[in-house]
Formats: sequence, C-alpha cells, structure tokens
Amino acid sequence: AQSVTQPDIHITVSEGASLELRCNYSYGATPYLFWYVQSPGQGLQLLLKYFSGDTLVQGIKGFEAEFKRSQSSFNLRKPSVHWSDAAEYFCAVVNPSVNAGKSTFGDGTTLTVKP
Amino acid sequence: EPEVTQTPSHQVTQMGQEVILRCVPISNHLYFYWYRQILGQKVEFLVSFYNNEISEKSEIFDDQFSVERPDGSNFTLKIRSTKLEDSAMYFCASSRMGQGNQPQHFGDGTRLSIL
Repeated sequence: AQSVTQPDIHITVSEGASLELRCNYSYGATPYLFWYVQSPGQGLQLLLKYFSGDTLVQGIKGFEAEFKRSQSSFNLRKPSVHWSDAAEYFCAVVNPSVNAGKSTFGDGTTLTVKP
Repeated sequence: EPEVTQTPSHQVTQMGQEVILRCVPISNHLYFYWYRQILGQKVEFLVSFYNNEISEKSEIFDDQFSVERPDGSNFTLKIRSTKLEDSAMYFCASSRMGQGNQPQHFGDGTRLSIL
C-alpha cells in the first residue's frame, strides 16, 4: 500500500528565509505526487504536482518541488518565505495505475513564520 | 475558476442523528471523492465514486456511511447514526478523469460537530 511520510511536524522559519519541507513516499513505482496547503479552517489548495518528466516542478505562490527517485522524496521549497505562507502543508500521492485513484496524504507539516 | 462547493460550512448534530453533507462538484468532472480530517490529524480517504457507483472505499466507510449523486449536480455523504468520533472536517473532491494526473479539486469542507 502506498504511504507518505512528512518527517517534520512543525517548522519555524523567519520571514525572508528559505524553506524546505520534506516528503518521502513508499510505493512500488513512481506515484503521482502533490503538495497542498491548508490555511486554518480552510480547504486544501493545490500548490504543485508531479506526474513525469522534469523532476523540478514549479507551483503557485513561488513554491517548487523536486522529485528524487533514488530517495523516494518530493521535497517542497521556497527561496524566501512570506508571513502569509504560514499554514499546514500536506504531501499526497496517487497510484497512477488505479482508476479513480484516491489521494493518500502525509501527516502534514505546520509552518510558522517569524517576523 | 470553477470550484467545488460544500454546504453547510458547519453542521452541529446530536449523537445518533442522521446527517447529510452536500457537495457540488465542478460541472464537467466525472469522479467524486469524500475525505475526512479529524482535528489535528491528516486527511483520510473515505470513498470514491464514478458512474453512479462506489469505486473504492476505506475501512472507515462502514455501513453507517452512504454516498449518492441524486441529480446531475449534487454529491452527498450521509451518516446514518452519528457517533462522537464522526466529528471531523469532511472534504469533497472531484476530478475530470480518474487517472491520477487529473488533480482532485477540493472544496472548503464541512465541519461536523457531534454533541
């Protein structure tokens, strides 16, 4: 069964500093990979996705993520964090072989941004 | 941009009562999903639905749960006899196709509180 691990429960960075949120997956082949952001009391907004091809993908709000097959990772990065980036971040995978494939989410990483 | 809409945003129900959560998926989408998120925990898959039948369901989705697409626009989740542990945020999602490379679009969720 597919699974997702986000090793960092909580990360605090200063505004303007760089950010990297870690995501590791467990799956027999390369799954489809996603990062979502959730502000308090809100829904899930898709930041970016990886299906195939270029392993560095660009998303919205200045985020990017790099797929590394050898490490089974899909880490999210941003060069300069803004206070409005404070939120919960979820990594998710979908099995590409299954029709109507469900999303399997990690536990999430809470990002706090210090002024 | 079209979005998934969910009503109500907050539902308070007495334990043992039936509750129906409503979702209007994006109009040209064919695959529908329900997820739940217990406070402070990760997002968990409940059920996927395509062509008027369930494609997959998790172990959480027991006989107390049912889904329905009563007309061409709504997708509902019914909990027959609510329990305290059903208190959670429930997210509806839809995608245009069932392959994972068609991202699932999430609604803002319904917060269900069982008293």
